[in-house]
Amino acid sequence: GAVVSQHPSRVICKSGTSVKIECRSLDFQATTMFWYRQFPKQSLMLMATSNEGSKATYEQGVEKDKFLINHASLTLSTLTVTSAHPEDSSFYICSASHLGSNIQYFGAGTRLSVL
Amino acid sequence: GNSVTQMEGPVTLSEEAFLTINCTYTATGYPSLFWYVQYPGEGLQLLLKATKADDKGSNKGFEATYRKETTSFHLEKGSVQVSDSAVYFCALNMGPNAGNMLTFGGGTRLMVKP
Repeated sequence: GAVVSQHPSRVICKSGTSVKIECRSLDFQATTMFWYRQFPKQSLMLMATSNEGSKATYEQGVEKDKFLINHASLTLSTLTVTSAHPEDSSFYICSASHLGSNIQYFGAGTRLSVL
Repeated sequence: GNSVTQMEGPVTLSEEAFLTINCTYTATGYPSLFWYVQYPGEGLQLLLKATKADDKGSNKGFEATYRKETTSFHLEKGSVQVSDSAVYFCALNMGPNAGNMLTFGGGTRLMVKP
């Protein structure tokens, strides 16, 4: 149980294009989803927290207009990197938790490469 | 604020050696503590957790005990395998009143050689 699916696993795009990453909870209702960014050989940096049906809460320094987060249902959240540039290249990981739980279940991550 | 400190890696061991990865935390209150493991190119998997002082989390031969007096949650395994090679993250969670957010340590890379 508690499976989180993240898609795509890898994406290569041209500079200036937008990329959407999906995060789905397959067997539970994810009341809260989290989006992280991970640089090589570093820890995870929380970008934003989203609760179903509400606007995402972004961490300090994360551009809201750059990283659009939607959590329209209890099983799906999306992260859209708008007008991507090479400096946005990174490993993006989502996680999800259900109501009353302090455990986050992680997706497998998306490696974004912007050319 | 809350923080987690892990021993820096990489930790290189031979197969069947004993593993300890140190983790200490600073928190205002009583966090839940977690160890996550990340295999190359993948997301994080929950390895074990403990929710209160003196609790011992265990899974797949790994153990960690929540030590309130030393604010520690060291990860141990009696006999490592090559397949245990991964990055291990210690983390704390202050609960729903704090948004259930995880605070991660910097991660410790473990390399196990045959």
